[in-house]
Amino acid sequence: AQSVTQPDIHITVSEGASLELRCNYSYGATPYLFWYVQSPGQGLQLLLKYFSGDTLVQGIKGFEAEFKRSQSSFNLRKPSVHWSDAAEYFCAVGLNTGGFKTIFGAGTRLFVKA
Amino acid sequence: GAVVSQHPSWVICKSGTSVKIECRSLDFQATTMFWYRQFPKQSLMLMATSNEGSKATYEQGVEKDKFLINHASLTLSTLTVTSAHPEDSSFYICSARDPRDQETQYFGPGTRLLVL
Repeated sequence: AQSVTQPDIHITVSEGASLELRCNYSYGATPYLFWYVQSPGQGLQLLLKYFSGDTLVQGIKGFEAEFKRSQSSFNLRKPSVHWSDAAEYFCAVGLNTGGFKTIFGAGTRLFVKA
Repeated sequence: GAVVSQHPSWVICKSGTSVKIECRSLDFQATTMFWYRQFPKQSLMLMATSNEGSKATYEQGVEKDKFLINHASLTLSTLTVTSAHPEDSSFYICSARDPRDQETQYFGPGTRLLVL
């Protein structure tokens, strides 16, 4: 069955430090991959997406993610975290199985300390 | 990017009443919209897929008579929680797919429902 795994429930980083959020997926073919961010009490905002082509994709707010087929991973990175980046981050997989469906990971909550 | 709105942003109601939540695509026409439910500190759970002009497709375990979905136009889908009970209290989020970018969903800001 298709699934998305975010191994880290929460992560704490210092402001200015680098960040990497992990995401692994289970799917037979290359899926559509997404990262969304959710601030408290808000909907989800799309950070970036990967469909094909260059495996390193750039997103908004200085985020990037790299698709690694051999590892079935799509980790999110940011070189220098800002306090405003504290939020919940969701990795998602889009599947086209007779109708397009998106499966979300459990999410990783990012805490930023001064 | 595409913009999706939801109304109301929060609602408090008495047990037994029905609550309607609206989801609108503001700058595009959405043939397909999705309704999710999110419990505190958990991920999004897909409740149903709303297709303009046809019946919604509900996920397994979601009561279609409890959660009525109507997608009467290309920019509006509504979710009605009928005879709400405290266990229906949750954060409800809709999303819509922009036909110009079929694989990407754009999310509304969510509606927090509290049933007393």
